[in-house]
Amino acid sequence: EAEVAQSPRYKITEKSQAVAFWCDPISGHATLYWYRQILGQGPELLVQFQDESVVDDSQLPKDRFSAERLKGVDSTLKIQPAELGDSAMYLCASSLDGLAGVSSYNEQFFGPGTRLTVL
Amino acid sequence: DQQVKQNSPSLSVQEGRISILNCDYTNSMFDYFLWYKKYPAEGPTFLISISSIKDKNEDGRFTVFLNKSAKHLSLHIVPSQPGDSAVYFCAARKSGGYQKVTFGTGTKLQVIP
Repeated sequence: EAEVAQSPRYKITEKSQAVAFWCDPISGHATLYWYRQILGQGPELLVQFQDESVVDDSQLPKDRFSAERLKGVDSTLKIQPAELGDSAMYLCASSLDGLAGVSSYNEQFFGPGTRLTVL
Repeated sequence: DQQVKQNSPSLSVQEGRISILNCDYTNSMFDYFLWYKKYPAEGPTFLISISSIKDKNEDGRFTVFLNKSAKHLSLHIVPSQPGDSAVYFCAARKSGGYQKVTFGTGTKLQVIP
């Protein structure tokens, strides 16, 4: 069964260091999402790609976060420098198509996430 | 500004009984609602959805009810099974353009054998 792959599963870093997370979506999925989930809260969208283009990064803290999907397949999310408040689960998801039709839903399939701890 | 709210952080139910998880939303532009289920150390998985043109959608043991006037939806699980123990997220989005899904804070369901 096709799955969204993420690595690493766990990352511990010190504040002011740089960290990077990798995501490989389900083959053929045009849309890729990065979410951040803080403990006790629901996932919050950071950035959404349609193929290699960013279609929504309104909640991405662009002073320290960056994301790319150069060939429209896998993606990397980077944080530099990391801060204590960045400790969270970072989830990647993909869907066939990101367009929101009426009465339809292009299911988002989530990866297992990367648990980031900033010390 | 929490546009999707799940006011019960946790719920315990006996096996075989009904589990009812509630969700409220504030954005009247939302017209599609979803429930996701999450086990520890795994990503969320899609469970069931409902469009605003309906007030009920059923899939096996899972039924979602939507009350648009109250901006409220609920997920019913009947009968509840121990394997249903997980965190359940309510989510919502509006049609048109690229779908951005807004998630609630989650309700942790424990089904007691």
